[in-house]
Amino acid sequence: DQQVKQNSPSLSVQEGRISILNCDYTNSMFDYFLWYKKYPAEGPTFLISISSIKDKNEDGRFTVFLNKSAKHLSLHIVPSQPGDSAVYFCAASAGGSGGSNYKLTFGKGTLLTVNP
Amino acid sequence: KAGVTQTPRYLIKTRGQQVTLSCSPISGHRSVSWYQQTPGQGLQFLFEYFSETQRNKGNFPGRFSGRQFSNSRSEMNVSTLELGDSALYLCASSYWGVGSNQPQHFGDGTRLSIL
Repeated sequence: DQQVKQNSPSLSVQEGRISILNCDYTNSMFDYFLWYKKYPAEGPTFLISISSIKDKNEDGRFTVFLNKSAKHLSLHIVPSQPGDSAVYFCAASAGGSGGSNYKLTFGKGTLLTVNP
Repeated sequence: KAGVTQTPRYLIKTRGQQVTLSCSPISGHRSVSWYQQTPGQGLQFLFEYFSETQRNKGNFPGRFSGRQFSNSRSEMNVSTLELGDSALYLCASSYWGVGSNQPQHFGDGTRLSIL
């Protein structure tokens, strides 16, 4: 049962335009969501996160939107740059204070290619 | 601040052998979690150690085990290796651990190949 889904394996955009990466989840207990970026031969790098008490979080060129009723989140990158080309993972966890029942569940990733 | 360090970066083993991977977390972090990344299954949670105790465990067989030392460094052991264990093994650290509203910081992984 895949609780976090990234339905687009790949996305290609032009430099300077907006990139929108999407993620859907099924577990209503998830209350913390993260986006990671991964280059080949490197570990995932944390980009931005959002708690379920918010519907938007912004950090520079990166904005994450959360729609709890639709169980959907998205990552917007504006403007997109060639250096943003990487695999982007959506992840989610349940529980606000850690504990024995909590784990991080990842989507399978979306390969973003930003063309110059 | 030094990041999460994993050793070795690459490892080649044969079926039936066992292997130990090492992870040094960011200084001060108490939680270390391990993940397996394969092309078909993506990133899957193995287990989390927090203050030397296993706190969470994913759906992996008992051949996968780990431990954490008093300095928070962690090791993961896989016994009786199978071809399907070929993967990138990633560890991540944080202060409050998995499930807290705090990101996990990842190392660059150990690429394990089983022949």
